[in-house]
Amino acid sequence: GAGVSQSPSNKVTEKGKDVELRCDPISGHTALYWYRQSLGQGLEFLIYFQGNSAPDKSGLPSDRFSAERTGGSVSTLTIQRTQQEDSAVYLCASSLGLGEAETQYFGPGTRLLVL
Amino acid sequence: EDQVTQSPEALRLQEGESSSLNCSYTVSGLRGLFWYRQDPGKGPEFLFTLYSAGEEKEKERLKATLTKKESFLHITAPKPEDSATYLCAVQAGGNNRLAFGKGNQVVVIP
Repeated sequence: GAGVSQSPSNKVTEKGKDVELRCDPISGHTALYWYRQSLGQGLEFLIYFQGNSAPDKSGLPSDRFSAERTGGSVSTLTIQRTQQEDSAVYLCASSLGLGEAETQYFGPGTRLLVL
Repeated sequence: EDQVTQSPEALRLQEGESSSLNCSYTVSGLRGLFWYRQDPGKGPEFLFTLYSAGEEKEKERLKATLTKKESFLHITAPKPEDSATYLCAVQAGGNNRLAFGKGNQVVVIP
């Protein structure tokens, strides 16, 4: 079946602009995660959604970052007033949401470049 | 805070030259240790999950093992198509998030 999809694949923006990144999880997966991968760094957790529960936002680096998940499926990560240090690959992952230590399946990522 | 350290950072192998990648972790209450493969410009691709010390899993030329402090990914007789960055991640405590190491970049030369 279809895997996790993300759009756009690449995004170039100017400092100070807002950007929206989209994630479509695997059908039937109730858990959705956002991570950030910066050059030379490991993947960094941003936010986690599970069903109708309140999201775990503990990894968001500043209040310029927000995310929502509509209808328990598609998620949008929004970065307001982008800064150059926001340049990174933003990865979305999903899992079944049934229990512990589930496999998280990743999308191809959105490569964000802030000029 | 969960810590994951991978070594070596980069590794060049001749085709057929077996080697091992190390992932050391410090966590409270390990729930699972994950290995992923990442090719340039792509998202991580799942390889293995290990849950408890002593567990081993194999897939083609790859074998993953787990102790209470570290995991090894053994690559036996590698081929050029095994060239990739291998990522180790842990899930621990009450968190569902994964904590990743920085990866092992492997290049297999024909």
